Amino acid sequence: QKEVEQNSGPLSVPEGAIASLNCTYSDRGSQSFFWYRQYSGKSPELIMSIYSNGDKEDGRFTAQLNKASQYVSLLIRDSQPSDSATYLCAVNPWMDSSYKLIFGSGTRLLVRP
Amino acid sequence: EPEVTQTPSHQVTQMGQEVILRCVPISNHLYFYWYRQILGQKVEFLVSFYNNEISEKSEIFDDQFSVERPDGSNFTLKIRSTKLEDSAMYFCASRGTSGRRGNEQFFGPGTRLTVL
Repeated sequence: QKEVEQNSGPLSVPEGAIASLNCTYSDRGSQSFFWYRQYSGKSPELIMSIYSNGDKEDGRFTAQLNKASQYVSLLIRDSQPSDSATYLCAVNPWMDSSYKLIFGSGTRLLVRP
Repeated sequence: EPEVTQTPSHQVTQMGQEVILRCVPISNHLYFYWYRQILGQKVEFLVSFYNNEISEKSEIFDDQFSVERPDGSNFTLKIRSTKLEDSAMYFCASRGTSGRRGNEQFFGPGTRLTVL
């Protein structure tokens, strides 16, 4: 059973701080990794995709991937109250021709004003 | 910015009734998906669809479920005889095929299905 694990939180950070969200996955051969943001009652919204080991930056967001440790993380710099949401880690399993996504249960982030 | 659309936003039905959930994927995308999310739980894969046929389905996607692309724009999910446990948010997603970004899936706003 391919699994994606996340701490459910809530992770509470003050406004302006760096929020660090983590995810581990069980399928060692996974190649594609995604972070989605989901506000309560809304659909997942794609924030970042990452495919290679290392860091990928996009504005205030940085995704980090370590395939040897089967670990992917998302850093949010200068956190804003509007960043308060659930962050979902999603993975494409290895050799999966449909490219379906396996989701973690999400980490709830609270940014305190 | 192109987006996935879904209708209706909320569907209430009686147990045993048939429902059809509709999606319009992003226009140049070729791969389509249905996911569901029971309240408070993970987003779960149901089915993927490519080239007018199912490419993969999960254990959840039993004989009560079917998908169809009746024309060039719509993608539908039908539940033939709804059960109480089918109550969930149903999300449609689509992806393109160009390069690495072709792996990215974009989700519609969802249909909240309530089975009474």
